Amino acid sequence: GAVVSQHPSWVICKSGTSVKIECRSLDFQATTMFWYRQFPKQSLMLMATSNEGSKATYEQGVEKDKFLINHASLTLSTLTVTSAHPEDSSFYICSAPGQAGGSTDTQYFGPGTRLTVL
Amino acid sequence: GQNIDQPTEMTATEGAIVQINCTYQTSGFNGLFWYQQHAGEAPTFLSYNVLDGLEEKGRFSSFLSRSKGYSYLLLKELQMKDSASYLCAVSEIANDYKLSFGAGTTVTVRA
Repeated sequence: GAVVSQHPSWVICKSGTSVKIECRSLDFQATTMFWYRQFPKQSLMLMATSNEGSKATYEQGVEKDKFLINHASLTLSTLTVTSAHPEDSSFYICSAPGQAGGSTDTQYFGPGTRLTVL
Repeated sequence: GQNIDQPTEMTATEGAIVQINCTYQTSGFNGLFWYQQHAGEAPTFLSYNVLDGLEEKGRFSSFLSRSKGYSYLLLKELQMKDSASYLCAVSEIANDYKLSFGAGTTVTVRA
């Protein structure tokens, strides 16, 4: 099946620094990727939709200036958490549809990035 | 919008059967997914239903009733490795096919 990778798998940073997380589709092209955040014992919350060649669309309540998304190519989307604070500590997961459009897309998830802000 | 409800926790013994129910409310239903997520890992795809009925895949089966806004995931011959969180997710046409997830059901399999 389709493979999605994320890097890094975990990161610890100081408060106020920025952290970049990469999401790659390894064996297929993804014009759309999704970024989720998951706090302990909670479900996945969609943060934004990353669109290749255009601006990302953010869910209500997600600060676009704090969570910068760049979809640089058909296989790479990056999420940058700017000026991170302890409350941003979470599990960040990306996903990509396994087909180019269509109602039967299955989203394939990356392995996730555990961010801890001290 | 969607209201996706599933039980928080379930416990069963090895070799048994467990059924995880999921109810949802949507407009423009476009399919229901079940994912398995082990602690600290990303979700992995289990099943997809868009038409009414039962989809069987080995030990796992998923059922959908669109008129009732109801689905269940059936896990048979439970194994210890099945201990995980099971997420029900709904795709909605009006929502650009994005997935909305339920809170997940933590299944604990005991020996």
